[in-house]
Amino acid sequence: RKEVEQDPGPFNVPEGATVAFNCTYSNSASQSFFWYRQDCRKEPKLLMSVYSSGNEDGRFTAQLNRASQYISLLIRDSKLSDSATYLCVVLQSGGSYIPTFGRGTSLIVHP
Amino acid sequence: ETGVTQSPTHLIKTRGQQVTLRCSSQSGHNTVSWYQQALGQGPQFIFQYYREEENGRGNFPPRFSGLQFPNYSSELNVNALELDDSALYLCASRSGQPGDNTEAFFGQGTRLTVV
Repeated sequence: RKEVEQDPGPFNVPEGATVAFNCTYSNSASQSFFWYRQDCRKEPKLLMSVYSSGNEDGRFTAQLNRASQYISLLIRDSKLSDSATYLCVVLQSGGSYIPTFGRGTSLIVHP
Repeated sequence: ETGVTQSPTHLIKTRGQQVTLRCSSQSGHNTVSWYQQALGQGPQFIFQYYREEENGRGNFPPRFSGLQFPNYSSELNVNALELDDSALYLCASRSGQPGDNTEAFFGQGTRLTVV
């Protein structure tokens, strides 16, 4: 089993739709979680961190479920500009820094 | 623009050759990490450098090595190139201590093709 798993998609949704992605992780010692966005042939950029209590940033909501070892990203009112690949990142705590990326979930928002 | 610059942007090498990729970190960032991203996959962590020492390494063989300089810029060296080394190589810089969860800012990457 991979350390961080994501459904590669693509998720093909109309503008205005709500879409949710999940990301599962295998290491229960994982402490920090992030969602990154990567546009085609571009570098990843941080979308949001994922906090234990859940957090929201505009149309984006991130949730963490430690018991089931997954994080989620919800996008409401999808825009054409949301089309991208969404990468989840899991980080173990401690002095050493080893981030593990999922393979990404592709989102295509169409008119 | 993140302020992280990588060079070259594209590179073609022959199997067995050696390659050096360069990264200039964002001003004020003392930590640099390197990633390999194959087509259709997420970035795979290679290693991280903090204050010129390696701090954290992913599952890559020793022919992947690196350096960090006093100005926090960094190099990734790959010896004995293999066809499977063809990928986008990303560098990311961030501030703080290695264990801090500060945001990592990525450069635009070097696309390496091994033929």
